[in-house]
Amino acid sequence: AQKVTQAQTEISVVEKEDVTLDCVYETRDTTYYLFWYKQPPSGELVFLIRRNSFDEQNEISGRYSWNFQKSTSSFNFTITASQVVDSAVYFCALSEAKYGGSQGNLIFGKGTKLSVKP
Amino acid sequence: DAGVTQSPTHLIKTRGQQVTLRCSPKSGHDTVSWYQQALGQGPQFIFQYYEEEERQRGNFPDRFSGHQFPNYSSELNVNALLLGDSALYLCASSLAPAPKETQYFGPGTRLLVL
Repeated sequence: AQKVTQAQTEISVVEKEDVTLDCVYETRDTTYYLFWYKQPPSGELVFLIRRNSFDEQNEISGRYSWNFQKSTSSFNFTITASQVVDSAVYFCALSEAKYGGSQGNLIFGKGTKLSVKP
Repeated sequence: DAGVTQSPTHLIKTRGQQVTLRCSPKSGHDTVSWYQQALGQGPQFIFQYYEEEERQRGNFPDRFSGHQFPNYSSELNVNALLLGDSALYLCASSLAPAPKETQYFGPGTRLLVL
C-alpha cells in the first residue's frame, strides 16, 4: 500500500544550523511524484518542490536542497543556515500514476514540526 | 494573479448540523481537490472534482459531498456533523486531474463542531 513516513515529529535547532527532514515512501508504481510542502502557523500549505520518479538528480534552491534516492525510497529535505522564518510544519507527499486508484490525489506524511530559535 | 481562496475562514457548528465550505481555484486551474486535516496530522484526501464531476474519492462517508460549478469553483458539504469532523479543511487546485500536476492550496477553513 502507498504510504509516506516522516519519522521526525519535531525538530528544534538554533538559527544558522543546518537541518535535514527525512521522508520515506512506499509505492508499487514505477511512475510517481514526490512533493514537499511547508505549512506555517497560518495554515496554508505552500508548495516547495515536485520530483518525478525518473529524475534522481538532487536539486538546490537557495538554502533549500533535496536528496532523492530511489534505492532507499527516500526524499530528504535539507535547509542550510536555518532562519527563524523557516519555522513551520513540513510535509512530504506522494502522488501515484497507476495503482491504488490514487490518480492525482496526494498522500501525505504526518509532517515534521521545525522550530528555529534565534 | 489570485491564488486559491476559501470561505469562510472559521466556522463553529453543533453536532447534527450541516455545513457548506467554498473554494475558488487559482486562475487557469480546472481541477479542485478537498482535504481534511485533523490537528497534528497530515491532510487526508476527501475527493477531487473535474469537469463538474467527482473523479476520485478518498475514504470518507457519504455525509461528505461536493459540487463543482462551470466557473471551476467548488463547494464541500458535510451533513449530520460529528465532533470528529472538527478539522482544517483545505482546498487545492491544479491544471489537470493528473498525478504530475502540482496542487496549490488555499488558506483553509477551520471548522469546530461542538
